[in-house]
Amino acid sequence: IQMTQSPSSLSASVGDRVTITCRASQDIGNHLAWYQQTPGKVPKVLIYAASTLQSGVPSRFSGSGSGTDFTLTISSLQPEDVATYYCQKYNSALLTFGGGTRVEI
Amino acid sequence: EVQMVESGGVALQPGESLRLSCAASGFNFNKYTINWVRQAPGKGLEWISFITWDGGAPYYADSVKGRFTISRDNSRNSVYLQMNSLRAEDTAVYYCTKVREEWLVLGDFDSWGQGTQVTVSS
Repeated sequence: IQMTQSPSSLSASVGDRVTITCRASQDIGNHLAWYQQTPGKVPKVLIYAASTLQSGVPSRFSGSGSGTDFTLTISSLQPEDVATYYCQKYNSALLTFGGGTRVEI
Repeated sequence: EVQMVESGGVALQPGESLRLSCAASGFNFNKYTINWVRQAPGKGLEWISFITWDGGAPYYADSVKGRFTISRDNSRNSVYLQMNSLRAEDTAVYYCTKVREEWLVLGDFDSWGQGTQVTVSS
């Protein structure tokens, strides 16, 4: 199963609504997570089970979707959100990551 | 507090072997599946292997199958990655991660180590 993220990069202004999409080549149900990797740091999970917010993650982050099409939304982009975002499927043993989306201000 | 600490990363030549270690603490290690994920310089994340809580059913990405072996020692709260026949394309930061829930073979990764650098170059 391939995981295709789009766009590969984007630039937005502080306060903008930002949407990143992830498409699976086959139905993965809701077995999808989103990770954030800020420059020079270790990845951390933001969203799991497609739409469940990880404890401690700001509520401006949200996830939606099921089956093959998923979305990560940042409702109001903040400077600290500059990072690369990855989706990952975990419905089967090949735990594939998407190619990443680089978000800049 | 959950901690995962990788070690063993070095610079070495193509064809050589290396064993990475991941020492875990702060959770019931013997109830969790552990994964290895790597990140080549300037590239994205690549999952490479997992091992279940009892050491059974190890699984590998095609890119490392037959060359890498994952194992664990629950008495030492540690997971290992034996890497043989290393190639330049294995150059990466290697992270160990745990899945979110006990007794889950597959899941998202809620804790990550800081990573260890492996460089393969002639």
